[in-house]
Order: sequence, then C-alpha cells, then structure tokens
Amino acid sequence: GAGVSQSPSNKVTEKGKDVELRCDPISGHTALYWYRQSLGQGLEFLIYFQGNSAPDKSGLPSDRFSAERTGGSVSTLTIQRTQQEDSAVYLCASSLDLGNQPQHFGDGTRLSIL
Amino acid sequence: AQSVTQPDIHITVSEGASLELRCNYSYGATPYLFWYVQSPGQGLQLLLKYFSGDTLVQGIKGFEAEFKRSQSSFNLRKPSVHWSDAAEYFCAVVASGGYNKLIFGAGTRLAVHP
Repeated sequence: GAGVSQSPSNKVTEKGKDVELRCDPISGHTALYWYRQSLGQGLEFLIYFQGNSAPDKSGLPSDRFSAERTGGSVSTLTIQRTQQEDSAVYLCASSLDLGNQPQHFGDGTRLSIL
Repeated sequence: AQSVTQPDIHITVSEGASLELRCNYSYGATPYLFWYVQSPGQGLQLLLKYFSGDTLVQGIKGFEAEFKRSQSSFNLRKPSVHWSDAAEYFCAVVASGGYNKLIFGAGTRLAVHP
C-alpha cells in the first residue's frame, strides 16, 4: 500500500486478555519497527525486524510481549495477559532498509486496558 | 547513551509569527537527526532529516532545521506559522548499533492562536 497500515486503530480489552496488533509496512520496505507511545514514557523503541528476523528483543518491556514477521511483510505484536500499564499507542514504522533510511510511521493502535 | 532533549513542553505562538523549537542531543559520533510531527490521532510524519553535508536542511510544510555541532543542537524553525501547524513535534536521533533505532525527545506541543 501507499503507507504503513495498522489495525485495529483502537482496541479496548479487559485486563488479563491477550491482544494482537497488526502492521502492514510499505511495499518493498525490508525493515520494520515497533514503538510504544505512552503518557509517562514518551516514545519508546520496542523491537525491529530486518526481513523476518528480530535480532534484538531487549526493548520489549516484559516477556508478555512478543512479535513476529512472516514473509518479510506483515508483522504482529502480541501482548499476553494484558495489564493496565500496557495502555498506550503502539506505532509501527518501516524503512527501505537499516541503512539510516527515514522511517515512515503508521497511525498507530490505541490500546486501552480496563 | 544517546539522548534527546526538547526543553519546551508547550509553546504558543500567534498565526503568522515565527517559530523555533529547540532540540539538543547527546551522541558521540556524527548524529543522524530527524524532526517528526504528530497531529492528534495520527502517526508521525517526517518533516526533515540531517545525515551529513549542508547543516541547514529544508523540509516539508516550510520548515527548516539547522545542525550545530558545537551546540549539539538541531533546532526546527518556520518563518510564519499557520494555524494548521498546531501539533506535537518530536526530535529524534538514530542510536548507535547499526539498526536504525530512533531515540525520541519528549516532544513539544505547539498551539497556534489566530
């Protein structure tokens, strides 16, 4: 597509439930990134993919968070046993490659945990 | 560790007035610097970037930024602000490590008075 597409745009769920967030990057972009934007923490880097590989998972806040990317395209960020502190906007970005190319962001998924 | 400081949390200007948003970074080598803008409910849109070369870079929507190594600054400017420029502005630097991780400042929220 023309831009980075994220779904759903909004998600409200109960504490303890699992959620899955989806990101469809710009066609041809090999690098994909996940960030989290919250009131207390600002914009935080979570994880990146080069192709289907995620070499560094250290930015994920806890082991309840996981991400995968298949076919070098769509990525999903999964949060298990959600907690209220997981409430945030989750932003996905993509770039042509890892060579300091500008990252293009989607509109994000606003996650609210009740 | 790299960091980005945006000293002004909120700025209010009158429409037609000039604007300067401050950004200071901490980085050992030559930084790769970006300014992004975020309108309510939207993702981040790239305004401009600095990789090397001319220290005055032009961006979209009439914005420009100047890289000053001696001051570790990358301030964003616009000569005449329009009401549609009201948004949140983020300065970012690429972290070392070779995988294009962005480190963001806390953001500056711009309000424009008619």
